[in-house]
Amino acid sequence: GAVVSQHPSRVICKSGTSVKIECRSLDFQATTMFWYRQFPKKSLMLMATSNEGSKATYEQGVEKDKFLINHASLTLSTLTVTSAHPEDSSFYICSARRRTNTEAFFGQGTRLTVV
Amino acid sequence: GDSVTQMEGPVTLSEEAFLTINCTYTATGYPSLFWYVQYPGEGLQLLLKATKADDKGSNKGFEATYRKETTSFHLEKGSVQVSDSAVYFCALSDMEYGNKLVFGAGTILRVKS
Repeated sequence: GAVVSQHPSRVICKSGTSVKIECRSLDFQATTMFWYRQFPKKSLMLMATSNEGSKATYEQGVEKDKFLINHASLTLSTLTVTSAHPEDSSFYICSARRRTNTEAFFGQGTRLTVV
Repeated sequence: GDSVTQMEGPVTLSEEAFLTINCTYTATGYPSLFWYVQYPGEGLQLLLKATKADDKGSNKGFEATYRKETTSFHLEKGSVQVSDSAVYFCALSDMEYGNKLVFGAGTILRVKS
């Protein structure tokens, strides 16, 4: 399968600061990338879908000004958590696919802790 | 909206035991169903899938059958190994929902030697 790399795997930041998480498709070009969030003992929740070169589409209830998503190239998408608060602490996972209706490949996830 | 419910873990088994992880779903359309596995420190990997009723997905000794009448897709393996220890996610993809993946909460499986 194709490889998706997510960085960092863990990050601790102070309240009020911003954190950027990177998602890279290492051996394929990803026209679409997805960002998920997982709370303890809860499902992976889709936050947003990003297509290369266009604005991300956010799911209902997700603040687009708080979770900035950029998909500037076919191999990189970034999620920036702005003005982080402790309630933003969570596990964030990205996935990428070549085109519609093809398999999506997942990164290993980022554990964000806001203190 | 669409949703997936899977059994809570952790599930702890001895090596060579039989495994069942239950998964049920609700969907407005006719979804495809998936099982993903996440080994420690790695990303989710597709384990198996089924795209229509009565299909059986299988891989690495794991099986799951798409049961429309019971809206279920239970994961089974006849004899687990320590290396099967991981988190297992049931998911669906529904054209009515833009083909986005909807996940269950995940079930931790621990296999003891």
